[in-house]
Amino acid sequence: DTGVSQNPRHKITKRGQNVTFRCDPISEHNRLYWYRQTLGQGPEFLTYFQNEAQLEKSRLLSDRFSAERPKGSFSTLEIQRTEQGDSAMYLCASSSLPGQGFNYGYTFGSGTRLTVV
Amino acid sequence: KQEVTQIPAALSVPEGENLVLNCSFTDSAIYNLQWFRQDPGKGLTSLLLIQSSQREQTSGRLNASLDKSSGRSTLYIAASQPGDSATYLCAVTNSGNTPLVFGKGTRLSVIA
Repeated sequence: DTGVSQNPRHKITKRGQNVTFRCDPISEHNRLYWYRQTLGQGPEFLTYFQNEAQLEKSRLLSDRFSAERPKGSFSTLEIQRTEQGDSAMYLCASSSLPGQGFNYGYTFGSGTRLTVV
Repeated sequence: KQEVTQIPAALSVPEGENLVLNCSFTDSAIYNLQWFRQDPGKGLTSLLLIQSSQREQTSGRLNASLDKSSGRSTLYIAASQPGDSATYLCAVTNSGNTPLVFGKGTRLSVIA
């Protein structure tokens, strides 16, 4: 396993269209996180899963956003009726559970760059 | 609500200089702190992880320190190189069950 994989790397879509991103975490990691990053800002938390359960959602995650992790492995993030303000880098990360090893750190993927035109 | 601040926002140094990047956080009851590097248009690469019980961590030319009581961490880069040019992000989590909260980063340029 070489790390966290995200697809696609880039996505250009027209306003109003739906888009879906995929994240494949490190296989031994129980937790999976989605973040959004705009230019000049740090990543902002959107949501996270422990196995297949979605444990927390940020207020940033409007009704147009939905995330799933159906079998506790890969995850998808869907944005419906995209708006220009959704243009950002969408980052996925995974981690082990706290206490499961001393090195409870996040490993990030390369991100999906979304441009809404 | 945890807030993370990184100073300076941008830094430009000549090659070979030693430098310090600063990170402060408002809630000192953290679980751990992580430093990341981000190249333009890329994802985040983890550099160092400091558990709340630790005072510092070292990896090669990088040394990160943690002073929990004062809510501060520093990332020290020795003998900087042009390849160190990137944005450096600091992030903390307050428990094993809360997500990482990030600062806005310090954009570092090392001039040859």
